[in-house]
Amino acid sequence: EAGVTQFPSHSVIEKGQTVTLRCDPISGHDNLYWYRRVMGKEIKFLLHFVKESKQDESGMPNNRFLAERTGGTYSTLKVQPAELEDSGVYFCASSQLDRGQTQYFGPGTRLLVL
Amino acid sequence: GIQVEQSPPDLILQEGANSTLRCNFSDSVNNLQWFHQNPWGQLINLFYIPSGTKQNGRLSATTVATERYSLLYISSSQTTDSGVYFCAGMDSSYKLIFGSGTRLLVRP
Repeated sequence: EAGVTQFPSHSVIEKGQTVTLRCDPISGHDNLYWYRRVMGKEIKFLLHFVKESKQDESGMPNNRFLAERTGGTYSTLKVQPAELEDSGVYFCASSQLDRGQTQYFGPGTRLLVL
Repeated sequence: GIQVEQSPPDLILQEGANSTLRCNFSDSVNNLQWFHQNPWGQLINLFYIPSGTKQNGRLSATTVATERYSLLYISSSQTTDSGVYFCAGMDSSYKLIFGSGTRLLVRP
C-alpha cells in the first residue's frame, strides 16, 4: 500500500510568487491534514479535511494560504503571494474515517522563499 | 488547548548506549504518537500509543495517560537513530499538537 505522497519535494521561489503544494493521501483515508514546521519551531497544524469538506482551518496563518480538496482525494495548498516567513517544511497527513486513529505523514515539501 | 513538552531538548550518545526521551502533556489526549524525523526531513511514525507499552525492535514506548506523560526508550543506539524525535498529542478536535522535539546525535 502506497503511503502519503507530496509534490514537489523542494521548492525555491522568490517573495511575491505563488507556489502550489500537492498531497495524495493513503487510498481510502477520508481525513487529510496539513501541518508545517517553520525554521526552528514546532510542527504546527494548519487545517483538516474530512473528504472534500474543511473540518477545521483554525491553523491557517492568513488569507494568503488556500487549501482545496476537490472530490475528496488529493489536496492542494496554495500560497499566494509567498512571503519570507512562509519558508519551512509543509507536511501532509492522512488517517482513516475514525479521526482518533494514527495520522500517517508524507515526506514533506521544503519551501524556501527568497 | 493542550501543551506538549519534551525533554531533553538535545542528547548526544555514544553508539551502543541506551536513552530515555520524555513527553509531558498538559491535558488529556485522545491519542499520542511518537515520530522520528530523519536527516532528510521525513517524519517516520514510530508508535501510536494512547496508553500502555509497545515495543518495536530496539525501541519501546510507554504512556501513562493518568499522569500525562509518555516515554520513548532507545536501546543499543546506532548512528542511524540520529535525528529529531517528536511526540504529539491529539486534542479534542483531532489535530496533533507537537512538542518541540529532542535532537539526538549518536556518535560512532
